[in-house]
Amino acid sequence: NAGVMQNPRHLVRRRGQEARLRCSPVKGHSHVYWYRQLPEEGLKFMVYLQKENIIDESGMPKERFSAEFPKEGPSILRIQQVVRGDSAAYFCASSGPGQGYEKLFFGSGTQLSVL
Amino acid sequence: EDKVVQSPLSLVVHEGDTVTLNCSYEVTNFRSLLWYKQEKKAPTFLFMLTSSGIEKKSGRLSSILDKKELFSILNITATQTGDSAVYLCASSYGGATNKLIFGTGTLLAVQP
Repeated sequence: NAGVMQNPRHLVRRRGQEARLRCSPVKGHSHVYWYRQLPEEGLKFMVYLQKENIIDESGMPKERFSAEFPKEGPSILRIQQVVRGDSAAYFCASSGPGQGYEKLFFGSGTQLSVL
Repeated sequence: EDKVVQSPLSLVVHEGDTVTLNCSYEVTNFRSLLWYKQEKKAPTFLFMLTSSGIEKKSGRLSSILDKKELFSILNITATQTGDSAVYLCASSYGGATNKLIFGTGTLLAVQP
């Protein structure tokens, strides 16, 4: 029973390039969340999606960041024109029925480094 | 402002010691409190607490919630080097969106 799968594990981008982070939730989970973790800081909520819908994006910067969770395929977090301050670990989590939607299962994260 | 505060920030103990990690929270529309263990990267779920005074146990780990005083503790007895990790506390809040607000974590180092 595969957990949350994220790829790539590490992503290096130069300033101004685009970063695309992928997340496949636990099988059967229809709720996906993205969190960002900076060094020495806790996980910060970015966005909450259900299939084809953004439910809450209150933690996501208004510019350059977007997220989607299409009917088919993984959830994508997209960062356009990356800057050094975007360097962080980005974690995806999912939840579903049966164990409570508040019980989030996390992936191993994508470490984004912007040069 | 919604917040979760953990203490201590870090802790060094020896194998066999018992540790208590603290978590206090102030959130709107509190629903549940969760504990996670973060080793290399992926936070792994430990406990979810929704009711006051009911202890949850898993092996050497246990946790309890006090909704009146707005805090939770995580106890680890007979610590082992494999318990070394960052322990994260999170509160779900804010209505129907299942958001979690995390504390900055407690870094636990268990020395042999």
